[in-house]
Amino acid sequence: DVKVTQSSRYLVKRTGEKVFLECVQDMDHENMFWYRQDPGLGLRLIYFSYDVKMKEKGDIPEGYSVSREKKERFSLILESASTNQTSMYLCASSSGRLLYNSPIHFGNGTRLTVT
Amino acid sequence: AQTVTQSQPEMSVQEAETVTLSCTYDTSESDYYLFWYKQPPSRQMILVIRQEAYKQQNATENRFSVNFQKAAKSFSLKISDSQLGDAAMYFCAYRSATGGSEKLVFGKGTKLTVNP
Repeated sequence: DVKVTQSSRYLVKRTGEKVFLECVQDMDHENMFWYRQDPGLGLRLIYFSYDVKMKEKGDIPEGYSVSREKKERFSLILESASTNQTSMYLCASSSGRLLYNSPIHFGNGTRLTVT
Repeated sequence: AQTVTQSQPEMSVQEAETVTLSCTYDTSESDYYLFWYKQPPSRQMILVIRQEAYKQQNATENRFSVNFQKAAKSFSLKISDSQLGDAAMYFCAYRSATGGSEKLVFGKGTKLTVNP
């Protein structure tokens, strides 16, 4: 079974801090994603990566960056955390083969609070 | 760009009854996939059901079925014999069948309450 592991379930950080959210998948998936989930807004794509060291902006990349140095790990970085980045962050991965029966797998989310 | 709209922020149903969650989407593509995900309080996103756009037959998974109307760009989820464990946020999602990305485009979600 595919496992997508997010390193923290809850995180509290101060405004201006540099924040790293880590995600690891164990199925040799090509694609990895970071989504942000807010009440009434659903899930919005921040960044995704389709290969090591490759990344593309999603719908709301402002204030975020990402790093993918190894295939299994995809990090989301908040260079200078702000209160409007208080949210739930969901990491996901998929095989990259565009198969119907190859769905996206999600981690359990990190609830980040910026004070 | 594709968009997904869920017009019902909240729905409620009595245990053992049937409820339908609505979803519409907008796309210029002809080949794509549609999904319903369930997110219980545990926060784990669980795939409920999926539909290929080129298949006319509506997908069914046990008590969950969809009504896929391609021309109307509608993809509703029907839950039969509702159970307390069905209470969750439900998200409709779209994925292109072509291109290099498998990213999902989500609706804003519908919170389903199941009353005993």
